Amino acid sequence: RKEVEQDPGPFNVPEGATVAFNCTYSNSASQSFFWYRQDCRKEPKLLMSVYSSGNEDGRFTAQLNRASQYISLLIRDSKLSDSATYLCVVTRRSNDYKLSFGAGTTVTVRA
Amino acid sequence: DVKVTQSSRYLVKRTGEKVFLECVQDMDHENMFWYRQDPGLGLRLIYFSYDVKMKEKGDIPEGYSVSREKKERFSLILESASTNQTSMYLCASSGPGQSYEQYFGPGTRLTVT
Repeated sequence: RKEVEQDPGPFNVPEGATVAFNCTYSNSASQSFFWYRQDCRKEPKLLMSVYSSGNEDGRFTAQLNRASQYISLLIRDSKLSDSATYLCVVTRRSNDYKLSFGAGTTVTVRA
Repeated sequence: DVKVTQSSRYLVKRTGEKVFLECVQDMDHENMFWYRQDPGLGLRLIYFSYDVKMKEKGDIPEGYSVSREKKERFSLILESASTNQTSMYLCASSGPGQSYEQYFGPGTRLTVT
């Protein structure tokens, strides 16, 4: 079983729409959680950290459910520039710098 | 501005050749990583280094070795390239303390024929 599983999509949405997707992780020892964004043919970059209480960064909202071991990302008022692959990332255990990456969810926003 | 650079964007090598991929970071980060990224599989950790001359195997170290002689430079070596090592290779670094954010280089697309 993969450590981090994501629906690969693609999610095709019109501009202005809301899109949401989840990922699940298998390691209950994971302590820190992130969403990274990867544009086509580019390197991954940190989008946002995910906190237990949930957090927002502009149009992006991330939630963590430790009991069910899933993380979600919601994008409101989608822009064309939001088209990318979103990678769900978790730490492997406490105080461990190594990360486990999901294979990514592709979002395409159309005009 | 944070910068991780990799020696080549595209590389074509023949089966059996020795291949060197180099990564340099200018952020004085202790931790450096080599991943490969393949469709549907995500990023898989090959090797990790947490200090000069220190290295640790990742999830898929077979067929690879690494070298870290200086803090800013982390090299990935394919001793005898094989076709199943055709992939995108990404280098990353992260800072001290409880800083898990990894900064990635632009990647090297390696094709082994």
